[in-house]
Amino acid sequence: QTVVTQEPSLTVSPGGTVTLTCSSSTGAVTSAYYPNWFQQKPGQAPRSLIYSTSNKHSWTPARFSGSLLGGKAALTLSGVQPEDEAEYFCLLYFGDTQDWVFGGGTRLTVL
Amino acid sequence: QITLKESGPTLVKPTQTLTLTCTFSGFSLSTSGVGVGWIRQSPGKAREWLALIYWNDDKRYSPSLKSRLTITKDTSKNQVVLTMTNMGPVDTATFYCAHRYCSSSTCSVGSGYFDYWGQGTLVTVSS
Repeated sequence: QTVVTQEPSLTVSPGGTVTLTCSSSTGAVTSAYYPNWFQQKPGQAPRSLIYSTSNKHSWTPARFSGSLLGGKAALTLSGVQPEDEAEYFCLLYFGDTQDWVFGGGTRLTVL
Repeated sequence: QITLKESGPTLVKPTQTLTLTCTFSGFSLSTSGVGVGWIRQSPGKAREWLALIYWNDDKRYSPSLKSRLTITKDTSKNQVVLTMTNMGPVDTATFYCAHRYCSSSTCSVGSGYFDYWGQGTLVTVSS
């Protein structure tokens, strides 16, 4: 069974930069996995931030960026704001099985 | 404005079949490139993609749950229905539906995105 792994938790200071990663148990993550990133705050619906590795929606703040880093998908927050405290989770597409698999999520604390 | 809302029973008994309805507004499931998917999250576990239906009635299922799932759409009612058979305690979860968009030429692969989600509905499986 394919497992997608994220850091369980990270802490960042306001104004700082943090990178969250998303890896696959099957090997290196490439653009063919169409990495997606979502944000979810308590009591709210998930919000899509990034799709297809690095594409942003019209509502995605400029401080969020997506990339591939060392065989993983990555979400970087630059100039972190207190309101960025949330859970972030990734989604990868596995074409060989036509399956979408979510990561376990990273709880980001802004402190 | 796109909105989605999940509805269905909050409690089901083991072995029963769960039927959930996603009622949406702000888009049409007859528009090329549009789909609606279902995702669940069991307590303490990662989210799990379950099923997806596209405007052209193309249906996709999680390989591990395919035998238990059926997804259908009623375009006139703006609804998508998911049924899951043989429910067990491990299926206790919050179920979400989400709007998906892909360029119709790339919907056969993973390109696209789940951009709008419902708030989710908690389903508990217990006798």
